[in-house]
Amino acid sequence: AQKVTQAQTEISVVEKEDVTLDCVYETRDTTYYLFWYKQPPSGELVFLIRRNSFDEQNEISGRYSWNFQKSTSSFNFTITASQVVDSAVYFCALERSGAGSYQLTFGKGTKLSVIP
Amino acid sequence: EAQVTQNPRYLITVTGKKLTVTCSQNMNHEYMSWYRQDPGLGLRQIYYSMNVEVTDKGDVPEGYKVSRKEKRNFPLILESPSPNQTSLYFCASSLSRTPYNEQFFGPGTRLTVL
Repeated sequence: AQKVTQAQTEISVVEKEDVTLDCVYETRDTTYYLFWYKQPPSGELVFLIRRNSFDEQNEISGRYSWNFQKSTSSFNFTITASQVVDSAVYFCALERSGAGSYQLTFGKGTKLSVIP
Repeated sequence: EAQVTQNPRYLITVTGKKLTVTCSQNMNHEYMSWYRQDPGLGLRQIYYSMNVEVTDKGDVPEGYKVSRKEKRNFPLILESPSPNQTSLYFCASSLSRTPYNEQFFGPGTRLTVL
């Protein structure tokens, strides 16, 4: 069975601080995909990034960056110079890649509050 | 505009009264899925459909039914709702079910069963 753990239930930071959201996953598969989604207070789910298990390169997109470390089964998400608009619940998710297996498993989410 | 729509957005009902939450996408996506979101539990998959007439159970299928008669629609049916099905429900679709294709989520349906 696969599992995604987001140990931080809630985080509060002051605007302009950097913040890292942790994600640790468990899977027996060698091929899998990792995702981050953002859920702002309005409730919709916004796709942020997808990473496959063979690509351990870190990625940066503006103020967002992701650190994938297979050795520690972690896929952490860092927001640099946080802004109030970053306040949301962030979900990490894992999907297996294999015939007949198409389940996307989500972590329980981390609620980020950015205080002005 | 490419989107996934759900109706209704909010619903309050009583135990045992059958209800259907509709989900429709206009992107010609093959894959569709239903999730429920509960506080402290994240999102859990209820059912998914690889294509028309092909559906399969997710992690928490008990108490739910689905059908996929047309490519664009994937309704979620609660034959006899119970209070433990009070939740926020999301429908999602993707072009096909490989992780290369991101899932697009609907706006959510907040269901309360009294």
